[in-house]
Amino acid sequence: DSGVTQTPKHLITATGQRVTLRCSPRSGDLSVYWYQQSLDQGLQFLIQYYNGEERAKGNILERFSAQQFPDLHSELNLSSLELGDSALYFCASTFSQGVQETQYFGPGTRLLVL
Amino acid sequence: GQQVMQIPQYQHVQEGEDFTTYCNSSTTLSNIQWYKQRPGGHPVFLIQLVKSGEVKKQKRLTFQFGEAKKNSSLHITATQTTDVGTYFCAEPVSGGYQKVTFGTGTKLQVIP
Repeated sequence: DSGVTQTPKHLITATGQRVTLRCSPRSGDLSVYWYQQSLDQGLQFLIQYYNGEERAKGNILERFSAQQFPDLHSELNLSSLELGDSALYFCASTFSQGVQETQYFGPGTRLLVL
Repeated sequence: GQQVMQIPQYQHVQEGEDFTTYCNSSTTLSNIQWYKQRPGGHPVFLIQLVKSGEVKKQKRLTFQFGEAKKNSSLHITATQTTDVGTYFCAEPVSGGYQKVTFGTGTKLQVIP
């Protein structure tokens, strides 16, 4: 157990719909990262938040948005869903110790768009 | 943009054989991390390498960072079925102001 929680675990929806994925970082971690992993694919970095502010952006579509709330939990909103959005979505929070910054991943949300 | 390629993409080995995955970057890396993702699981941090030419060991796993800091390798000696999974290298955050780039991953299958 990494200490990072994600809900829901599974999500099945239809094309054109909108969903919200939720992530709670480990206690004390200020950063949240979102990743997309399609079937048998690598991890695509989407976006990072630090203490409520967007800090870095990756390959995130305009249909996707995220935010981090004052209690540090984060939500990833996916709208106008397409079949190709079906994937595992992970969030990770980071622990810094000197030059080492370790990412702790949550269990993921498996999204299926039908 | 920065690319981090890993080879091979897939590897099947007989239990007891050695395994190596290589990570190559188009740019000089500040440091590199390795993660393991078991089937159906989430990535789990293994190690970070910082110095040019650095070598670190974890039991049967040996991690190496290239002299030019553009490549890295993970070598597993005498694989076991518990080694099954996908191994990713990643250029980690640095002060949190840059994109995180994960390698393409190497999927290891160990045949008992």
